[in-house]
Amino acid sequence: GESVGLHLPTLSVQEGDNSIINCAYSNSASDYFIWYKQESGKGPQFIIDIRSNMDKRQGQRVTVLLNKTVKHLSLQIAATQPGDSAVYFCAEISWGAQKLVFGQGTRLTINP
Amino acid sequence: NAGVTQTPKFQVLKTGQSMTLQCAQDMNHNSMYWYRQDPGMGLRLIYYSASEGTTDKGEVPNGYNVSRLNKREFSLRLESAAPSQTSVYFCASSEYGAGDTQYFGPGTRLTVL
Repeated sequence: GESVGLHLPTLSVQEGDNSIINCAYSNSASDYFIWYKQESGKGPQFIIDIRSNMDKRQGQRVTVLLNKTVKHLSLQIAATQPGDSAVYFCAEISWGAQKLVFGQGTRLTINP
Repeated sequence: NAGVTQTPKFQVLKTGQSMTLQCAQDMNHNSMYWYRQDPGMGLRLIYYSASEGTTDKGEVPNGYNVSRLNKREFSLRLESAAPSQTSVYFCASSEYGAGDTQYFGPGTRLTVL
């Protein structure tokens, strides 16, 4: 069945460096992808999304890249700050489907 | 504009007890969802309501029931709690359906002894 997975469960970066969080998906029919950030004790918070007709989308300090050929999604965070410490989830859905499929999450920790 | 609110924030139950988790949204969204999140895992969909008056099962519906009370409110009921239902429960809403951005509440941490 469909699944969304993450290459690394944890990622540690130096403050000020760029962070790259990766996600693989298996459903070739997926056409909408979302990255969520979840801080400790809180609900997931929408960061950025991308549709399958795009391969890159930029937000404020964040960029999502989509490679449909290898079914890979990544989230890039520029100039990582302490406030970026959280668990990051990718999620995907195919057109007409009724539910998002979430990955397991990557914990991002920032070293001072 | 509070977004999605959930009550209670924390709850401890004994095996066999029942309880209802409440969720409300003030964004006039049509679709609402209940998820559970277990340690080291992503979110799993329990039930969803695509629109007022409809509910459907998600991935893990066993042991739960839901009620879409009106457009704003979507409750989750555990009729006879089991230790396997110890989890953090999140409610979410989206404007038109699962393909729209889902906004999450702060969660309810439930422990079943």
